[in-house]
Amino acid sequence: AQKITQTQPGMFVQEKEAVTLDCTYDTSDPSYGLFWYKQPSSGEMIFLIYQGSYDQQNATEGRYSLNFQKARKSANLVISASQLGDSAMYFCAMREGSGGSYIPTFGRGTSLIVHP
Amino acid sequence: SQTIHQWPATLVQPVGSPLSLECTVEGTSNPNLYWYRQAAGRGLQLLFYSVGIGQISSEVPQNLSASRPQDRQFILSSKKLLLSDSGFYLCAWSGAGTGGTEAFFGQGTRLTVV
Repeated sequence: AQKITQTQPGMFVQEKEAVTLDCTYDTSDPSYGLFWYKQPSSGEMIFLIYQGSYDQQNATEGRYSLNFQKARKSANLVISASQLGDSAMYFCAMREGSGGSYIPTFGRGTSLIVHP
Repeated sequence: SQTIHQWPATLVQPVGSPLSLECTVEGTSNPNLYWYRQAAGRGLQLLFYSVGIGQISSEVPQNLSASRPQDRQFILSSKKLLLSDSGFYLCAWSGAGTGGTEAFFGQGTRLTVV
């Protein structure tokens, strides 16, 4: 079974609008971390934001915020005030905390296109 | 500050030829190291990870192998490339242990097997 599910293969948003990218995860480990990465056309993976399973508040980093709903096992990325440079692939990832090397597992990604 | 270097950036190799991709990390010690492969339009597939020198774990049976001859050096190899080995290869590192630190990625190698 997939541990990270991103159901939106592609998303379109108007410049300056907000957009939400969906991510659901599956784990029985009480300790885990959730991450979002941006991959522009150049291919590099850019870390955006992190949420720990025990964090009480949703993570925020500038225009990025993570809508963490633990009971629903969802960790959606919200980008406020979209910019043309936000056009890229976005990947949700999870690291489970116990018994191992804490390996990041990635979803299939969502392609975001920002229109002027 | 920590940096990760991966090379080469692009590579075109004939079927049956050997492969060696190198990744080095600076500014940290005893990192966890990872090799991922990304097929066109797909997510990242973990190939190998290492928690220390000489310690390699394989996630998927492959025509590939990995080695970690030094603490901050991770090498991806193949003796004979297949067409299906084409893809975008990414090396990454993260802090040792079970902390919640993110993984940092190299620039990637775009491999085309012809």
